[in-house]
Amino acid sequence: EVQLLESGGGLVQPGGSLRLSCAASGFTFNTYVMNWVRQAPGKGLEWVSGISGSGGSTYYADSVKGRFTISRDNSKNTLHLQMHSLRVEDTAVYFCAKDRVESSGVEDAFDIWGQGTMVTVSS
Amino acid sequence: EIVLTQSPATLSLSPGERATLSCRASQSVSRYLAWYQQKPGQAPRLLIYDASNRATGIPARFSGSGSGTDFTLTISSLEPEDSAVYYCQQRFLWPPLTFGGGTKVEIK
Repeated sequence: EVQLLESGGGLVQPGGSLRLSCAASGFTFNTYVMNWVRQAPGKGLEWVSGISGSGGSTYYADSVKGRFTISRDNSKNTLHLQMHSLRVEDTAVYFCAKDRVESSGVEDAFDIWGQGTMVTVSS
Repeated sequence: EIVLTQSPATLSLSPGERATLSCRASQSVSRYLAWYQQKPGQAPRLLIYDASNRATGIPARFSGSGSGTDFTLTISSLEPEDSAVYYCQQRFLWPPLTFGGGTKVEIK
């Protein structure tokens, strides 16, 4: 069964850091673009970042560029999101999501999502 | 950045009725548009990709149409379990990938 399981969320003060992880199973992890998508409480979906299968290409929303870093460890089938300089407006559930098509090199629709991990930025 | 505008914000219909949801893009996205369903407390689920292709395991009552800037998600005969928020998403021009604001479907 294809599965994504996020971890690492929690409560952090403004200006703090947090590292999210997403453990993947049931598919050939290193052949798929992977993404992070977030959802603030009661709000819609916002794409945060994406990374190519090799990890050589990374993409970010302007709202997180320079503060967040996406990475992957293909030997451990794990996706990461390192978050620095966190702001109150970064409070959200963070989902990892898998592209539908493998080895495409470009973004596709997201066919598998994790259950999400909550990040709360508050003093 | 491509902005996606969904309408209506809320749709309230009875079981068996037809639901028509709209997604309009600020510029052409060709057919690179997807639809997702999200129920409370759950992750989104992919329904439709590339405007009109149903994802694996999605019931035939869900269909998508459109190209360019105007897209429609149709639920032909509503079931109680279709109560959810529906989002459209474009992948034509990125980054960033963008989502619409969502349409909430309520079943009377």
